Amino acid sequence: DVKVTQSSRYLVKRTGEKVFLECVQDMDHENMFWYRQDPGLGLRLIYFSYDVKMKEKGDIPEGYSVSREKKERFSLILESASTNQTSMYLCASSLHPPAEAYEQYFGPGTRLTVT
Amino acid sequence: TQLLEQSPQFLSIQEGENLTVYCNSSSVFSSLQWYRQEPGEGPVLLVTVVTGGEVKKLKRLTFQFGDARKDSSLHITAAQPGDTGLYLCAAIGMDSNYQLIWGAGTKLIIKP
Repeated sequence: DVKVTQSSRYLVKRTGEKVFLECVQDMDHENMFWYRQDPGLGLRLIYFSYDVKMKEKGDIPEGYSVSREKKERFSLILESASTNQTSMYLCASSLHPPAEAYEQYFGPGTRLTVT
Repeated sequence: TQLLEQSPQFLSIQEGENLTVYCNSSSVFSSLQWYRQEPGEGPVLLVTVVTGGEVKKLKRLTFQFGDARKDSSLHITAAQPGDTGLYLCAAIGMDSNYQLIWGAGTKLIIKP
């Protein structure tokens, strides 16, 4: 059974702290994604990775960085957390194209609150 | 920028009623997906439509891809409380790499 796990379901951090969000998938997928989800805005792509040590900026990369040292693990880093980064963070993975393989499998999400 | 607009943003109906939600764009897509997200969970894929005019059924859910591959609809017959959730459409552009273009979602509540 396909599985994407995220290190925390809920996280509360203070402004200025460095925050690590971890994501692990057990499906041997090449692609991994980090999104944030805010009410009324849908899913916005922060970063994605199509291979180990490869990363591409998404639509809103500012204030974030990522690391993919192993195929199964994709980490999102908030270098200095700010209150406007309070959000639900979703990790996803997928196979490479063709189109039928675009299905993304999501983790349960991490609800991050920055105070 | 390719945009996907979903309507309505919010829908609350009684159990047993029928409903349709929409996903529209001015862009042509190679395929389109519908996901459902339940509270506290990540989205889960319901269906992928690829061919213009394609209709797919999943029990009481009927998905249609527009003839021009710019829009899609999801129709639920005899809605049940278990259908409650956020319905998201996501599309793959004609020149896309690995990314999906996401709509903002329709939040559906089915009252018993």
